[in-house]
Amino acid sequence: LAKTTQPISMDSYEGQEVNITCSHNNIATNDYITWYQQFPSQGPRFIIQGYKTKVTNEVASLFIPADRKSSTLSLPRVSLSDTAVYYCLVGLRMDSSYKLIFGSGTRLLVRP
Amino acid sequence: GAVVSQHPSWVICKSGTSVKIECRSLDFQATTMFWYRQFPKQSLMLMATSNEGSKATYEQGVEKDKFLINHASLTLSTLTVTSAHPEDSSFYICSGTAGNTIYFGEGSWLTVV
Repeated sequence: LAKTTQPISMDSYEGQEVNITCSHNNIATNDYITWYQQFPSQGPRFIIQGYKTKVTNEVASLFIPADRKSSTLSLPRVSLSDTAVYYCLVGLRMDSSYKLIFGSGTRLLVRP
Repeated sequence: GAVVSQHPSWVICKSGTSVKIECRSLDFQATTMFWYRQFPKQSLMLMATSNEGSKATYEQGVEKDKFLINHASLTLSTLTVTSAHPEDSSFYICSGTAGNTIYFGEGSWLTVV
Protein backbone atom coordinates (compact mmCIF):
# COMPACT_ATOMS: atom_id res chain seq x y z
CA LEU A 1 0.00 0.00 0.00
CA ALA A 2 1.22 3.46 -0.86
CA LYS A 3 2.03 5.59 2.15
CA THR A 4 1.16 8.87 0.48
CA THR A 5 -1.90 10.62 -0.91
CA GLN A 6 -1.76 13.33 -3.56
CA PRO A 7 -4.25 15.06 -5.87
CA ILE A 8 -4.61 13.10 -9.08
CA SER A 9 -4.16 16.11 -11.32
CA MET A 10 -3.59 19.86 -11.35
CA ASP A 11 -3.74 22.53 -14.01
CA SER A 12 -1.73 25.71 -14.12
CA TYR A 13 -0.53 28.42 -16.48
CA GLU A 14 2.94 29.45 -17.45
CA GLY A 15 4.58 31.77 -14.96
CA GLN A 16 2.39 30.77 -12.04
CA GLU A 17 3.56 29.19 -8.81
CA VAL A 18 2.31 25.64 -8.31
CA ASN A 19 1.93 24.00 -4.92
CA ILE A 20 1.31 20.27 -4.70
CA THR A 21 0.45 18.89 -1.28
CA CYS A 22 1.00 15.32 -0.20
CA SER A 23 -0.41 13.58 2.87
CA HIS A 24 1.66 10.97 4.69
CA ASN A 25 -0.09 10.43 8.00
CA ASN A 26 1.88 7.33 8.93
CA ILE A 27 5.34 8.72 8.34
CA ALA A 28 7.98 7.12 10.56
CA THR A 29 10.58 8.91 12.59
CA ASN A 30 13.42 7.95 10.27
CA ASP A 31 11.59 8.59 7.00
CA TYR A 32 12.65 11.28 4.59
CA ILE A 33 10.20 12.89 2.16
CA THR A 34 11.31 12.91 -1.44
CA TRP A 35 9.69 14.32 -4.55
CA TYR A 36 10.29 13.07 -8.07
CA GLN A 37 9.29 14.28 -11.51
CA GLN A 38 8.54 11.87 -14.31
CA PHE A 39 8.12 12.56 -18.02
CA PRO A 40 6.58 9.92 -20.30
CA SER A 41 8.91 7.01 -21.06
CA GLN A 42 11.57 8.23 -18.64
CA GLY A 43 12.61 7.20 -15.17
CA PRO A 44 11.65 9.44 -12.25
CA ARG A 45 13.99 12.37 -11.71
CA PHE A 46 14.90 13.54 -8.23
CA ILE A 47 13.60 17.03 -7.43
CA ILE A 48 14.01 17.64 -3.73
CA GLN A 49 14.21 15.88 -0.39
CA GLY A 50 13.58 16.97 3.16
CA TYR A 51 13.05 15.80 6.69
CA LYS A 52 11.43 18.81 8.38
CA THR A 53 10.78 22.55 8.01
CA LYS A 54 11.75 24.01 4.66
CA VAL A 55 14.19 22.97 1.99
CA THR A 56 14.96 24.96 -1.13
CA ASN A 57 17.10 24.20 -4.15
CA GLU A 58 17.47 25.69 -7.61
CA VAL A 59 14.24 24.19 -8.94
CA ALA A 60 11.79 23.88 -6.04
CA SER A 61 10.98 24.36 -2.39
CA LEU A 62 9.65 21.78 0.01
CA PHE A 63 7.60 22.78 3.03
CA ILE A 64 7.14 20.29 5.86
CA PRO A 65 5.08 21.18 8.96
CA ALA A 66 6.19 20.23 12.43
CA ASP A 67 4.06 17.09 12.61
CA ARG A 68 5.51 15.91 9.24
CA LYS A 69 2.17 14.39 8.26
CA SER A 70 2.10 16.33 5.04
CA SER A 71 4.44 18.16 2.72
CA THR A 72 4.07 20.71 -0.06
CA LEU A 73 6.18 20.91 -3.17
CA SER A 74 6.35 24.43 -4.52
CA LEU A 75 7.38 25.08 -8.12
CA PRO A 76 7.97 28.77 -8.77
CA ARG A 77 6.99 30.23 -12.15
CA VAL A 78 6.25 27.01 -14.00
CA SER A 79 6.84 26.64 -17.70
CA LEU A 80 5.35 24.30 -20.30
CA SER A 81 8.26 21.90 -19.77
CA ASP A 82 7.14 21.35 -16.17
CA THR A 83 4.17 19.37 -17.44
CA ALA A 84 4.82 15.96 -15.90
CA VAL A 85 3.78 13.58 -13.16
CA TYR A 86 5.04 14.44 -9.69
CA TYR A 87 5.44 11.79 -7.06
CA CYS A 88 5.76 12.28 -3.32
CA LEU A 89 7.45 9.37 -1.60
CA VAL A 90 8.18 8.55 1.98
CA GLY A 91 11.08 6.24 2.62
CA LEU A 92 10.58 2.89 4.30
CA ARG A 93 14.01 2.34 5.70
CA MET A 94 15.65 -1.03 5.10
CA ASP A 95 19.14 -1.27 6.53
CA SER A 96 21.22 1.12 4.45
CA SER A 97 18.61 1.71 1.76
CA TYR A 98 15.03 2.75 1.24
CA LYS A 99 12.11 0.79 -0.16
CA LEU A 100 9.90 3.25 -1.96
CA ILE A 101 6.27 2.53 -2.70
CA PHE A 102 4.78 4.83 -5.30
CA GLY A 103 1.36 6.35 -5.01
CA SER A 104 -0.65 7.58 -7.95
CA GLY A 105 1.29 10.81 -8.34
CA THR A 106 -0.05 14.19 -9.48
CA ARG A 107 -0.34 14.95 -13.17
CA LEU A 108 0.52 18.60 -13.64
CA LEU A 109 -0.54 20.25 -16.86
CA VAL A 110 0.93 23.67 -17.57
CA ARG A 111 -0.96 25.66 -20.18
CA PRO A 112 0.36 28.57 -22.24
CA GLY B 1 23.01 13.74 -8.52
CA ALA B 2 24.10 10.14 -8.79
CA VAL B 3 23.69 8.31 -12.08
CA VAL B 4 21.92 5.04 -12.71
CA SER B 5 22.09 3.64 -16.21
CA GLN B 6 19.91 0.99 -17.78
CA HIS B 7 20.51 -1.05 -20.89
CA PRO B 8 18.90 -1.58 -23.29
CA SER B 9 16.60 1.43 -23.48
CA TRP B 10 14.15 -0.62 -25.46
CA VAL B 11 13.95 -4.20 -26.64
CA ILE B 12 11.57 -6.27 -28.71
CA CYS B 13 11.54 -10.01 -28.23
CA LYS B 14 9.50 -12.94 -29.42
CA SER B 15 7.05 -14.63 -27.14
CA GLY B 16 8.68 -17.50 -25.25
CA THR B 17 12.18 -16.09 -25.30
CA SER B 18 14.11 -14.48 -22.45
CA VAL B 19 15.46 -10.99 -22.26
CA LYS B 20 17.94 -9.40 -19.87
CA ILE B 21 17.92 -5.80 -18.67
CA GLU B 22 20.97 -4.32 -16.95
CA CYS B 23 21.02 -1.65 -14.27
CA ARG B 24 24.31 0.01 -13.39
CA SER B 25 25.22 2.58 -10.78
CA LEU B 26 27.86 4.63 -12.55
CA ASP B 27 29.29 6.79 -9.78
CA PHE B 28 28.32 5.06 -6.59
CA GLN B 29 28.07 1.60 -5.12
CA ALA B 30 24.68 0.13 -4.38
CA THR B 31 24.28 -2.83 -2.07
CA THR B 32 20.58 -2.65 -2.76
CA MET B 33 18.77 -1.88 -5.98
CA PHE B 34 15.07 -1.94 -6.72
CA TRP B 35 13.19 -3.01 -9.82
CA TYR B 36 9.89 -1.43 -10.81
CA ARG B 37 7.42 -2.01 -13.61
CA GLN B 38 5.20 0.67 -15.06
CA PHE B 39 2.29 0.29 -17.45
CA PRO B 40 1.16 3.27 -19.54
CA LYS B 41 -0.53 6.02 -17.55
CA GLN B 42 -0.03 4.11 -14.31
CA SER B 43 2.29 4.54 -11.38
CA LEU B 44 5.46 2.55 -10.78
CA MET B 45 4.94 -0.81 -9.16
CA LEU B 46 7.72 -2.25 -7.04
CA MET B 47 8.62 -5.73 -8.22
CA ALA B 48 11.61 -6.74 -6.14
CA THR B 49 14.57 -5.71 -4.06
CA SER B 50 17.92 -6.75 -5.47
CA ASN B 51 20.54 -7.49 -2.81
CA GLU B 52 24.22 -7.65 -3.69
CA GLY B 53 25.60 -11.12 -3.08
CA SER B 54 22.31 -12.66 -2.00
CA LYS B 55 18.88 -13.55 -3.27
CA ALA B 56 16.43 -10.92 -4.31
CA THR B 57 13.26 -10.39 -2.33
CA TYR B 58 10.08 -10.18 -4.35
CA GLU B 59 6.87 -8.30 -3.74
CA GLN B 60 3.67 -10.22 -3.38
CA GLY B 61 2.32 -11.40 -6.71
CA VAL B 62 5.63 -11.17 -8.58
CA GLU B 63 6.85 -14.53 -9.86
CA LYS B 64 10.46 -15.01 -8.86
CA ASP B 65 11.02 -17.77 -11.42
CA LYS B 66 9.82 -15.54 -14.20
CA PHE B 67 11.66 -12.38 -13.22
CA LEU B 68 15.18 -13.49 -12.36
CA ILE B 69 17.28 -10.91 -10.56
CA ASN B 70 21.02 -11.11 -10.15
CA HIS B 71 23.10 -8.58 -8.22
CA ALA B 72 26.62 -9.90 -8.62
CA SER B 73 28.49 -6.68 -7.93
CA LEU B 74 27.99 -3.39 -6.13
CA THR B 75 27.37 -1.58 -9.40
CA LEU B 76 25.32 -4.02 -11.45
CA SER B 77 21.94 -5.66 -11.11
CA THR B 78 20.22 -7.56 -13.90
CA LEU B 79 16.60 -8.45 -14.46
CA THR B 80 15.88 -11.36 -16.78
CA VAL B 81 12.35 -11.84 -17.99
CA THR B 82 12.09 -15.54 -18.79
CA SER B 83 9.65 -17.09 -21.24
CA ALA B 84 8.29 -13.67 -22.01
CA HIS B 85 4.66 -13.20 -22.97
CA PRO B 86 2.91 -10.18 -24.48
CA GLU B 87 1.47 -9.28 -21.08
CA ASP B 88 5.05 -8.78 -19.84
CA SER B 89 5.37 -5.84 -22.20
CA SER B 90 6.00 -2.86 -19.98
CA PHE B 91 8.42 -0.15 -18.91
CA TYR B 92 10.96 -1.52 -16.44
CA ILE B 93 12.84 0.87 -14.17
CA CYS B 94 15.59 0.25 -11.64
CA SER B 95 16.87 2.41 -8.82
CA GLY B 96 19.82 2.59 -6.48
CA THR B 97 20.50 4.47 -3.27
CA ALA B 98 23.28 7.04 -2.85
CA GLY B 99 23.33 8.47 0.65
CA ASN B 100 19.73 9.15 1.68
CA THR B 101 18.46 9.55 -1.85
CA ILE B 102 17.25 7.05 -4.40
CA TYR B 103 18.12 7.62 -8.03
CA PHE B 104 16.33 5.99 -10.92
CA GLY B 105 17.53 4.68 -14.24
CA GLU B 106 16.18 5.90 -17.54
CA GLY B 107 13.94 2.88 -17.89
CA SER B 108 13.77 0.04 -20.40
CA TRP B 109 10.83 -0.57 -22.70
CA LEU B 110 10.10 -4.23 -23.29
CA THR B 111 7.76 -5.27 -26.07
CA VAL B 112 6.96 -8.94 -26.45
CA VAL B 113 5.50 -9.92 -29.81
